[in-house]
Amino acid sequence: GNSVTQMEGPVTLSEEAFLTINCTYTATGYPSLFWYVQYPGEGLQLLLKATKADDKGSNKGFEATYRKETTSFHLEKGSVQVSDSAVYFCALIRGSTLGRLYFGRGTQLTVWP
Amino acid sequence: NAGVTQNPKFQVLKTGQSMTLQCAQDMNHNSMYWYRQDPGMGLRLIYYSASEGTTDKGEVPNGYNVSRLNKREFSLRLESAAPSQTSVYFCASSEEPDSYNEQFFGPGTRLTVL
Repeated sequence: GNSVTQMEGPVTLSEEAFLTINCTYTATGYPSLFWYVQYPGEGLQLLLKATKADDKGSNKGFEATYRKETTSFHLEKGSVQVSDSAVYFCALIRGSTLGRLYFGRGTQLTVWP
Repeated sequence: NAGVTQNPKFQVLKTGQSMTLQCAQDMNHNSMYWYRQDPGMGLRLIYYSASEGTTDKGEVPNGYNVSRLNKREFSLRLESAAPSQTSVYFCASSEEPDSYNEQFFGPGTRLTVL
C-alpha cells in the first residue's frame, strides 16, 4: 500500500541552525511528494512539492529532493528562524487514488532565539 | 477570496448527539475532501468528492456521512457522535483530483464529544 514515514519529533533547534526532517515513502508507481506546514491554530499550507524523480522543490529557504532510489523526500533548511516553529507533514499522492493525500505523522519543530 | 472556510471553529457534543460540519470553497475547485487529525496520527481521509455529484469513502468513513451540496459546499455529518470522534476536522479542496494539484486546507473544526 501507500504510506509515509517521518522522523519522530519533537525537534528543537537554536536560531540559524541547520534543519533536516527525514521522510521516506512506500508507493507503487510514481507518486507526487509534498511537504505541508501547520502553524499553531491554523490549517495546513503547502510548503513545497515535487512531481517526479530528481525534482527539487523549494520555498522560503526550505528544500527537498525526490529520490526514487532511496524512496525519500527529506526536508532541509540551512538556517532556521523562530518563525519556522510549526508542525511539518510529509505526504504523497498517487494519480490513481483520486487526489487522496497520504500523510506522515508530522514533526513538531521548535526554534529558540 | 476567502479560500476554504469551515464552520463552526469549535464544538462540544454529548455522546449520541448529531451535528453537521460545514465547508465551502470559493476557488471553483472540482474536488473536495474531509480529513481528521488526531495526535501523533497525521491526517486521515474520511470522505472525498472528486467532482460535483460524486462522493467516495476514504480511510476512516465509519460514523460519518457527507453531502456535496453544490460545487462550492461539502458537508460532513455525524449522526450519533461518539467520544472516538473527538478530533480536529479539516476540509480541503483542489482543482482536480490528481497528483499535480495542490490541496488547499480550511482552518479546521475542533470537535469534542463527551
